[in-house]
Amino acid sequence: SAVISQKPSRDICQRGTSLTIQCQVDSQVTMMFWYRQQPGQSLTLIATANQGSEATYESGFVIDKFPISRPNLTFSTLTVSNMSPEDSSIYLCSVMGPAGVEQYFGPGTRLTVT
Amino acid sequence: AQSVTQPDIHITVSEGASLELRCNYSYGATPYLFWYVQSPGQGLQLLLKYFSGDTLVQGIKGFEAEFKRSQSSFNLRKPSVHWSDAAEYFCAVGDNQFYFGTGTSLTVIP
Repeated sequence: SAVISQKPSRDICQRGTSLTIQCQVDSQVTMMFWYRQQPGQSLTLIATANQGSEATYESGFVIDKFPISRPNLTFSTLTVSNMSPEDSSIYLCSVMGPAGVEQYFGPGTRLTVT
Repeated sequence: AQSVTQPDIHITVSEGASLELRCNYSYGATPYLFWYVQSPGQGLQLLLKYFSGDTLVQGIKGFEAEFKRSQSSFNLRKPSVHWSDAAEYFCAVGDNQFYFGTGTSLTVIP
């Protein structure tokens, strides 16, 4: 399975500011995903990021709030813009595995907005 | 509509006892099914997966799961739980897009 790292691992931010989360994979992958896990909740898919194309956002998530970059096959960023306390969550990136079905997850970024 | 239900929000078992975590799904086609574990402050680790074939699948850390099409279930089992198994467990279904259950929190008591 791929080794996935995320930066930062955690952060405390003030409302109205933005935070960019980085996701680095140790091998080239086509499909990357960004999820949000609110406190005590399950995972919700924010968007799918394929290299060379615009990210595809799920219902309830918009590009202005969560812009995503995917400059190459091993790296992606998610920005949480104009943050409010409701954005306090764990943000996880994942990649599609070699079988083309399973997903492997990074360690997550724990974001607290005050 | 696709969905995953984990009926047990929280389970407590004694160390050495057996464990079964329930998962029911609704999916329009033959599903791909997964179990993930999330330890405190960690990301999700894939325990096991079912694509096709033998309905009893073996995973890491001594876990297994059984796919029962007639019951739309994919329950996770372990014959003897260790204290280090205390974590949050998520069942998921899907292919390109995953649908996760709400998770079952496992506490292991000595």
